[in-house]
Amino acid sequence: DAMVIQNPRYQVTQFGKPVTLSCSQTLNHNVMYWYQQKSSQAPKLLFHYYDKDFNNEADTPDNFQSRRPNTSFCFLDIRSPGLGDAAMYLCATSRVGMGYNEQFFGPGTRLTVL
Amino acid sequence: AQSVTQLGSHVSVSEGALVLLRCNYSSSVPPYLFWYVQYPNQGLQLLLKYTSAATLVKGINGFEAEFKKSETSFHLTKPSAHMSDAAEYFCAVSYTGTASKLTFGTGTRLQVTL
Repeated sequence: DAMVIQNPRYQVTQFGKPVTLSCSQTLNHNVMYWYQQKSSQAPKLLFHYYDKDFNNEADTPDNFQSRRPNTSFCFLDIRSPGLGDAAMYLCATSRVGMGYNEQFFGPGTRLTVL
Repeated sequence: AQSVTQLGSHVSVSEGALVLLRCNYSSSVPPYLFWYVQYPNQGLQLLLKYTSAATLVKGINGFEAEFKKSETSFHLTKPSAHMSDAAEYFCAVSYTGTASKLTFGTGTRLQVTL
C-alpha cells in the first residue's frame, strides 16, 4: 500500500544534541510537510517543500531545518534540541493539482529531550 | 485569513448514543473542509472531506458531515458511538491557491462511556 513512513517512531535525545527525523513516501506526492504537535494541541506547520522549493513558516525557529534530497524523502533536523522541543513530529504529503489539497499523514515520531 | 472553530474541547457520549462534533469556519471564498481523527501516539487519519461536490459527505467508520454554507458549518456526526471511536478529532480547512496548507481547529477529544 502507498503510504507515508516515519522513522524512528520514538526518539530520545539529550538537551543540545542534534537529532534528525526521517520521512519517506511511496505516494509520489510533490508536497511534503513537517508539523510539530504538542500534547492536546493541533498540529503546527513548521515548513513544507513544494517539489524542491522550501517554504518556511514565519514563526518556525531557526533551530529547525529540513532537507529533501529527492521526491521520496524528507528530513527534519533539530540542531540544538531544547526541553520545549519535546513533541510529536508529523510528516504529511499531498499532491498539488488535486484541487482540494488532501494531506496524508505518517504515524509520527515522538521526540523526548532529556 | 481563514480559521476554524471547534466548539467543545471535550465531548463525552455513551456507547450507542449520537456523536456530534461541531466545526465552524470563517471564509469569504468556498473552502475545502476535512475531518481527521487521531488515536494516541499515532498520526492523523482522514475521516472525510468536502470538496464542493455533495454537501452531505460520508466517511469511514460510519461518520458523516454536512456542509452548510448558510451556517458556515461542517459538523461531524455518527448515529451510534462505539468504544473504538474514542480519539481526538480535528476539523481543518484549505483553499485553492494556498500552497496546500491546512488550517486546523483546536481539536475535540471524544470520550465514549459504557
